[in-house]
Amino acid sequence: EIVLTQSPATLSLSPGQRAIVSCRASQSIGTFLAWYQQKPGQAPRLLIYDASNRATGIPARFSGSGSGTDFTLSISSLEPEDFAVYYCQERTNWPLTFGGGTRVEIK
Amino acid sequence: EVQLLESGGDMVQPGGSLRLSCAASGFNFEDYAMNWVRQAPGKGLEWVSSISGYGDKSAYADSVKGRFTISRDNSKNALYLQMSSVRADDTAMYYCARDQRGYNRPSDHWGQGTLVTVSS
Repeated sequence: EIVLTQSPATLSLSPGQRAIVSCRASQSIGTFLAWYQQKPGQAPRLLIYDASNRATGIPARFSGSGSGTDFTLSISSLEPEDFAVYYCQERTNWPLTFGGGTRVEIK
Repeated sequence: EVQLLESGGDMVQPGGSLRLSCAASGFNFEDYAMNWVRQAPGKGLEWVSSISGYGDKSAYADSVKGRFTISRDNSKNALYLQMSSVRADDTAMYYCARDQRGYNRPSDHWGQGTLVTVSS
């Protein structure tokens, strides 16, 4: 089973700042990585798939990069609605795994 | 519009059984793999189980293997999760999620979840 390690666990930033979230896989997963955003009381929402492709309707301030074992989610300039928890998920084969999550909170 | 509506969540005693359902609409259901993902209170997301579009392939997390069974009825556009021998650590919000078409695809639509509480 592939283990995904996200860092940091919490990111305290102000609106307008840049957020960078890391996800490291225990073995190479190519670019089979997705990022999701979850707000309190809501279901997760797909942001990025195949490591760097934005899902439908996702603003351009969200970007993903990486391949193999190291991946990054970047939010270029935080908007008030971006403060949420972010999860990575590997999509190689069953069983699937999620990272532990990164909370982006208002400083 | 794609819609996924979970139901069946309830309070159940340890060792008991429960069946969750997910009603799908707005897309050709049999063309898509489906998943159950859960989230314990205050915790992160945990993949539970997946099933192929035709229902001929499925997989489970180790934590539920042998206790939970995923199934689907493509004639009814419905996904199910039969839970048995439930434990306290099965307490969670359970989401159904649709994968994009193809192999190794992410989950692009999620339901709002149904809450399962295991308690005596």
